[in-house]
Amino acid sequence: DGGITQSPKYLFRKEGQNVTLSCEQNLNHDAMYWYRQDPGQGLRLIYYSQIVNDFQKGDIAEGYSVSREKKESFPLTVTSAQKNPTAFYLCASTGTGDPLAKNIQYFGAGTRLSVL
Amino acid sequence: KNEVEQSPQNLTAQEGEFITINCSYSVGISALHWLQQHPGGGIVSLFMLSSGKKKHGRLIATINIQEKHSSLHITASHPRDSAVYICAVTDRRALTFGSGTRLQVQP
Repeated sequence: DGGITQSPKYLFRKEGQNVTLSCEQNLNHDAMYWYRQDPGQGLRLIYYSQIVNDFQKGDIAEGYSVSREKKESFPLTVTSAQKNPTAFYLCASTGTGDPLAKNIQYFGAGTRLSVL
Repeated sequence: KNEVEQSPQNLTAQEGEFITINCSYSVGISALHWLQQHPGGGIVSLFMLSSGKKKHGRLIATINIQEKHSSLHITASHPRDSAVYICAVTDRRALTFGSGTRLQVQP
């Protein structure tokens, strides 16, 4: 079935460690997004990519990095510079055309990151 | 002030009740989304609308562009409707989200 796969479901990070969250989609969508969710808060945009080999910072990009080498993959690295990484991370994608106005965003199941 | 405000933050209802969740936004938008997040965290899109009203089963979503307000209604609520309902609006980059309404429907 078509969809978005995020892995792992749970991830633990040690102090000073970089960790990478995987997001893969087989929907042939051009645009992909990473959001962070903290308890009691709305989702906030970390990074987004509207086409392969191009990505843009969102509202809370500091301490994170991404790559978009393939259309179907948009991994997120949480670097040691991110001092408060504990959160729920969601990946999403939308189709082509006018992606934001016309197409619905599809979400992965999320990755819950905790600091050891 | 948040760009997307939802009310109420928490809602407890008895099975069968009619439920309304409200969303107000302060920015120009091209579309508004209602999303459902279950306890495991996964999010499902319920509606995307830019005008008028949409209905899917027991769910109805309305939007008033002039008043920058949208409502999500659930008729004949059921315990399986218990979830967090999130309003989001599209800007030129991605979605801007409200903080969600936690709904608990008791049998």
